[in-house]
Amino acid sequence: AQRVTQPEKLLSVFKGAPVELKCNYSYSGSPELFWYVQYSRQRLQLLLRHISRESIKGFTADLNKGETSFHLKKPFAQEEDSAMYYCALSLSTGNQFYFGTGTSLTVIP
Amino acid sequence: DTGVSQNPRHKITKRGQNVTFRCDPISEHNRLYWYRQTLGQGPEFLTYFQNEAQLEKSRLLSDRFSAERPKGSFSTLEIQRTEQGDSAMYLCASSRGGHGNNEQFFGPGTRLTVL
Repeated sequence: AQRVTQPEKLLSVFKGAPVELKCNYSYSGSPELFWYVQYSRQRLQLLLRHISRESIKGFTADLNKGETSFHLKKPFAQEEDSAMYYCALSLSTGNQFYFGTGTSLTVIP
Repeated sequence: DTGVSQNPRHKITKRGQNVTFRCDPISEHNRLYWYRQTLGQGPEFLTYFQNEAQLEKSRLLSDRFSAERPKGSFSTLEIQRTEQGDSAMYLCASSRGGHGNNEQFFGPGTRLTVL
């Protein structure tokens, strides 16, 4: 079975503090991992994906196959980072996607 | 191109009625996905189309649910004999497909309330 786990439903950090949103997955094949973000009153949008290996809005995520994790990190949180974050896994075929339950991040001014 | 659109945005219906939702993907995207999202949960995959072919269906998709994409462009999701448990946000997404092109672009969703 394929599954994505985000252990934290809620996460609060102070502005300027580092933030890490955890994501673990279970899949025996070669997955493609994504982070999606949903800002207040907006639609879900892609934040980053592991194959791009890029930093978006200061966020990075590294795929750790040994730990089956894809944690999202940012060294200095900003107030505009407050949003709902979803980790997602795609099978290698791209036919199905599996989303975690999401983590609501609040950055306290 | 204004992105993925969905209609209606909200639907209130009585239990037992049929409802149909429409999704218009980004025009050059050949892949289309339907999801259901309930409060406190992430999107749950329902079904996937590549062009007009429905290639994957989740076990969540009971026989009261049917989806079509007749010309490989827009798609419809119909729920027959709605139940209160069908109340949810129904999301549509599209992607270009192919290696490295699995980024999904989401629509705003259709919120269904079954009374």
